[in-house]
Amino acid sequence: KNEVEQSPQNLTAQEGEFITINCSYSVGISALHWLQQHPGGGIVSLFMLSSGKKKHGRLIATINIQEKHSSLHITASHPRDSAVYICAGSNFGNEKLTFGTGTRLTIIP
Amino acid sequence: DAGVIQSPRHEVTEMGQEVTLRCKPISGHDYLFWYRQTMMRGLELLIYFNNNVPIDDSGMPEDRFSAKMPNASFSTLKIQPSEPRDSAVYFCASSRTTGFYNSPLHFGNGTRLTVT
Repeated sequence: KNEVEQSPQNLTAQEGEFITINCSYSVGISALHWLQQHPGGGIVSLFMLSSGKKKHGRLIATINIQEKHSSLHITASHPRDSAVYICAGSNFGNEKLTFGTGTRLTIIP
Repeated sequence: DAGVIQSPRHEVTEMGQEVTLRCKPISGHDYLFWYRQTMMRGLELLIYFNNNVPIDDSGMPEDRFSAKMPNASFSTLKIQPSEPRDSAVYFCASSRTTGFYNSPLHFGNGTRLTVT
């Protein structure tokens, strides 16, 4: 069974801090997705990666296939980054996602 | 592009009533997914379609749930009869066919269903 575990469950930081959210996954998962769910409930796909690193603005996602671990980093965090960040795993050729429980990030001004 | 459009945004109904949730995927997207989100279980895949054909409905909780995609621009998720434990936010998402793992998911804003 594919499993995805995230940590921490909740994270509060001061504006400007460097943020790291971690995701570990089980055998059978070959691609990792990072999603952002805004306080209003909408969900946005941030990254999808199966190797290496991807960057978009202040967001960076990395994946270590050998260790079955992915991280989402936010540089120069801002209150508007406050959201729930969800990692999800999928297997090539299988469009079903297995979701982590999410990390609730709060950035204090 | 208007994005994935779901309706209604909120639905409040009494136990036993039929509920129909609607979704319009992004034009040109060949995959359509229905997800359910609850506090207890988080996000769960209910069913997904490829080119209007249901591929995997193993996440549909019971026979009370059914989903259809009569054409490339419309899908419905129906619950009949509804029960209080069906209360959740239901998301529809779509993606292109260029290889799922290279194509991001686009989510609708969700339908918040409350069954009393």
